[in-house]
Amino acid sequence: SQTIHQWPATLVQPVGSPLSLECTVEGTSNPNLYWYRQAAGRGLQLLFYSVGIGQISSEVPQNLSASRPQDRQFILSSKKLLLSDSGFYLCACHTNRGLAEAFFGQGTRLTVV
Amino acid sequence: AQSVTQLDSHVSVSEGTPVLLRCNYSSSYSPSLFWYVQHPNKGLQLLLKYTSAATLVKGINGFEAEFKKSETSFHLTKPSAHMSDAAEYFCVVIFMNRDDKIIFGKGTRLHILP
Repeated sequence: SQTIHQWPATLVQPVGSPLSLECTVEGTSNPNLYWYRQAAGRGLQLLFYSVGIGQISSEVPQNLSASRPQDRQFILSSKKLLLSDSGFYLCACHTNRGLAEAFFGQGTRLTVV
Repeated sequence: AQSVTQLDSHVSVSEGTPVLLRCNYSSSYSPSLFWYVQHPNKGLQLLLKYTSAATLVKGINGFEAEFKKSETSFHLTKPSAHMSDAAEYFCVVIFMNRDDKIIFGKGTRLHILP
């Protein structure tokens, strides 16, 4: 079965520092991968999605970027964090072989101070 | 365009009474449908999923949902609410097309009154 590993679970970073959140998938190949963010008291907002290595689509303009260096690896980055980057970040994947099914990481709670 | 709508942003029920959280989708493609729950400061937990098998799906903690294609709905129900059910609930949809995204509803916050 498929599993998603996302780390770290919590992170406190100062304003202006860089960010790297990593997500890896096991148990499948060529998945669609996603990064979502949930700001305090808000729903889940799609930030980036990827249908293959090196293919990244951005949903909203922001201070963040994403990369997919390997088939089952998806990285969320920032060169300089802003206070408004605080939130809950969630990695997700799905495959479209047979029945489409979604899998989620455990999330990373980022606090920018 | 494909979309998913959770009709209520907040639902309040008394403990021991039924719960109904509504979800509708819009698409010409066949969907896979999920309900997830998020307790405060926690990740997402899968309650149940529909992936083109039985239309009435039973999940964890006494929740169930029924896929109604004619109504394009996948409402979540529970016969008797418990205080521990207080949380945010997300309806999630994937459509049977490789380039489609996982689409989240905006969430429904369920409040349980003593």
